[in-house]
Amino acid sequence: DAKTTQPPSMDCAEGRAANLPCNHSTISGNEYVYWYRQIHSQGPQYIIHGLKNNETNEMASLIITEDRKSSTLILPHATLRDTAVYYCIVRVASGSEKLVFGKGTKLTVNP
Amino acid sequence: NAGVMQNPRHLVRRRGQEARLRCSPMKGHSHVYWYRQLPEEGLKFMVYLQKENIIDESGMPKERFSAEFPKEGPSILRIQQVVRGDSAAYFCASSPLGGSSGNTIYFGEGSWLTVV
Repeated sequence: DAKTTQPPSMDCAEGRAANLPCNHSTISGNEYVYWYRQIHSQGPQYIIHGLKNNETNEMASLIITEDRKSSTLILPHATLRDTAVYYCIVRVASGSEKLVFGKGTKLTVNP
Repeated sequence: NAGVMQNPRHLVRRRGQEARLRCSPMKGHSHVYWYRQLPEEGLKFMVYLQKENIIDESGMPKERFSAEFPKEGPSILRIQQVVRGDSAAYFCASSPLGGSSGNTIYFGEGSWLTVV
């Protein structure tokens, strides 16, 4: 079962920052937070991941709260091509280390 | 998604036939995962394999489905005697040598199976 809670949908204006929240209150100390997105009819695309510190790459920034119970994915300048379902996943640190997908957040970027 | 190759991208089978889906992991990756996505539903984990070993098959249906990842060649997901309910997108993913959940998993573009 997914260990995260995300809003089912969000809207964002093109060119503005999209801030996608995720709650993971039961996260363990050695579990990572991963973000993926799935554009319609495509495979899931890796965005970013982190353990404790905030992370940034060419796609997005990940802000993790100090208690690690929640995080926010930030797309700094959303474009229409960022319209997708965004998944926040807590990845177990033992066993198969598989990704367990929840329902995600459907982000719609509007012109 | 570049690097994880799946084929065929689209496959049509009649009820009762067999479907074989192939996945070549990214270069240097020795771990393969298979996921299924039914129409309008989420991604469900099926199986996790390393070379010549099934590590976790907790998501695999008990009958008709099997997976392998031989020493040489791609990983194969095999579905025998397909039924209409098997119609779905099947995604393969790969990651480098395990041991830490910091190793990123990358997905392919999927194989769409339609059973008629």
